Amino acid sequence: DGGITQSPKYLFRKEGQNVTLSCEQNLNHDAMYWYRQDPGQGLRLIYYSQIVNDFQKGDIAEGYSVSREKKESFPLTVTSAQKNPTAFYLCATYPGSGANVLTFGAGSRLTVL
Amino acid sequence: KNQVEQSPQSLIILEGKNCTLQCNYTVSPFSNLRWYKQDTGRGPVSLTIMTFSENTKSNGRYTATLDADTKQSSLHITASQLSDSASYICVVAQTDSWGKFQFGAGTQVVVTP
Repeated sequence: DGGITQSPKYLFRKEGQNVTLSCEQNLNHDAMYWYRQDPGQGLRLIYYSQIVNDFQKGDIAEGYSVSREKKESFPLTVTSAQKNPTAFYLCATYPGSGANVLTFGAGSRLTVL
Repeated sequence: KNQVEQSPQSLIILEGKNCTLQCNYTVSPFSNLRWYKQDTGRGPVSLTIMTFSENTKSNGRYTATLDADTKQSSLHITASQLSDSASYICVVAQTDSWGKFQFGAGTQVVVTP
């Protein structure tokens, strides 16, 4: 987990509610990512950010939103528009291009009731 | 179609035995290939990173190989321990693309006493 804090670890949401997952890093890495993990599938990219105040959609951005107001923080909001939000969400950081480690947080498990 | 295919999907091995996991990829252009270990309910942890010119890399009892010509990689676990029970994920990075890490679905390894 080293240097990346995700919270909460577990979150329950009622249908129609927005929820925000927190991701904070102290690794001084430029890039931050949000991935979604479902059983039997590879991680899928939701959003990523290379610098403050800039971010790009990933492969499954619909129903999600992010912000990058500080280098250390990259919160993810799961909106009511996300049809099937129950999943394991992983935040990751990356110092830049090349053979550097993509470091992951411990994850947040979201369950829709 | 997933650009990173892992096999087998799952395997069970006896403690002390060796095993080999496979990863085939079609990702292009290729920058580097990574193997991660993910314990249940936790974030993935990096085991190895190999660039185009590297054929083998070890991390303790884990040895990864890469054949960039055939686009194949393997992860060999020697003298397995109960703590090796986890999902092992192959990740391929594309050249010069910050957001472009392609993930395999993982191989679930169960080590039994």
